[in-house]
Amino acid sequence: QKEVEQNSGPLSVPEGAIASLNCTYSDRVSQSFFWYRQYSGKSPELIMSIYSNGDKEDGRFTAQLNKASQYVSLLIRDSQPSDSATYLCAARLTGAGSYQLTFGKGTKLSVIP
Amino acid sequence: EAGVTQFPSHSVIEKGQTVTLRCDPISGHDNLYWYRRVMGKEIKFLLHFVKESKQDESGMPNNRFLAERTGGTYSTLKVQPAELEDSGVYFCASSQDRFLRQGYYGYTFGSGTRLTVV
Repeated sequence: QKEVEQNSGPLSVPEGAIASLNCTYSDRVSQSFFWYRQYSGKSPELIMSIYSNGDKEDGRFTAQLNKASQYVSLLIRDSQPSDSATYLCAARLTGAGSYQLTFGKGTKLSVIP
Repeated sequence: EAGVTQFPSHSVIEKGQTVTLRCDPISGHDNLYWYRRVMGKEIKFLLHFVKESKQDESGMPNNRFLAERTGGTYSTLKVQPAELEDSGVYFCASSQDRFLRQGYYGYTFGSGTRLTVV
């Protein structure tokens, strides 16, 4: 059974610091990975996707993927109080008919002013 | 561009009653998905439509749940009869990537329907 594991937190970082969020997955067939941000009571919002080993940067966000070790991470540079939210890691099989996302429970991030 | 719209935003029903949730995907998105999150658990897949056809319904918990997408536009998810364990937040999402294109396109989620069965 596919599983995605995340530390539930809360993870607290001071404003301006780097927040590091980690995620491991159990299914070696998973090939695409997503980070969603969810504010309380709101819908999950896609912030990063990654499917190749290595780093992918987008503004203050960097996603890292290591398929051999089966982990995905999200780094948030210059953390802002507005980054305070729950961050969801999701894995997806690629291939015919495989559209399901398998989510972790999410890590709650608090950025302290 | 209008996002994914779900209603109602909240629903409180008694055990044994019927509830119908509605989702309007982003215009032009052939793929529509239903997910739910029960208290303390992760978001879990329910099913996936491609236009009006059910592509994958492996996540539907039992036959009390019925999803439809007539005409390939909006979708409904009916729970009949509702049980206490059906309480949770039901999310709908849509995407445009019919051919997956490396699978790196994520979904756009709606804001969810919070269902409480008492």
